[in-house]
Amino acid sequence: AQSVAQPEDQVNVAEGNPLTVKCTYSVSGNPYLFWYVQYPNRGLQFLLKYITGDNLVKGSYGFEAEFNKSQTSFHLKKPSALVSDSALYFCAVRDMGGTYKYIFGTGTRLKVLA
Amino acid sequence: GAGVSQSPSNKVTEKGKDVELRCDPISGHTALYWYRQSLGQGLEFLIYFQGNSAPDKSGLPSDRFSAERTGGSVSTLTIQRTQQEDSAVYLCASSLENSPLHFGNGTRLTVT
Repeated sequence: AQSVAQPEDQVNVAEGNPLTVKCTYSVSGNPYLFWYVQYPNRGLQFLLKYITGDNLVKGSYGFEAEFNKSQTSFHLKKPSALVSDSALYFCAVRDMGGTYKYIFGTGTRLKVLA
Repeated sequence: GAGVSQSPSNKVTEKGKDVELRCDPISGHTALYWYRQSLGQGLEFLIYFQGNSAPDKSGLPSDRFSAERTGGSVSTLTIQRTQQEDSAVYLCASSLENSPLHFGNGTRLTVT
């Protein structure tokens, strides 16, 4: 069955330090992978996606993510965190060999400390 | 340009009443999704419309929930005989085929 796991409910990082938010997935076919961010009292905003090609994809606000097929992971990264990056982050997978619907993880709350 | 619009933004209803939540997708978007976000929880898939195909209703939690999409555009999510556990933020999203989802700001439903 199609699924996404975000093992950390919350990640704390000091401003200026690199950050990683973890995501692993399970699909029956080729995955389309996405990261979304939700700021307080706002809708979800698209950050980046992996469809095919280079395993390292770059997105909005300096974020990037690395697709690792053997580990079925798609971790979100940023070299230097900002306080304004504090938000709720969701990983999502679309199973292009199955149902085609988007399945989201449970979310990881990122807190960047000044 | 106009994004995905949801109405109402907030809805308070009494247990047992029916509610209708509306979603206006981005013009031309063929796919439309409904999700539910409960406090402290992730996004729970409810239903997916793609063009003229039969909708994927596999996420609807009970037969009290239904949704329709008229003319390939506006969608309405209906919850009959609401229960307190239905309290959540209901999110709508739309997209073109194979493009990222665009989300509305959601409808916060409170069942008292």
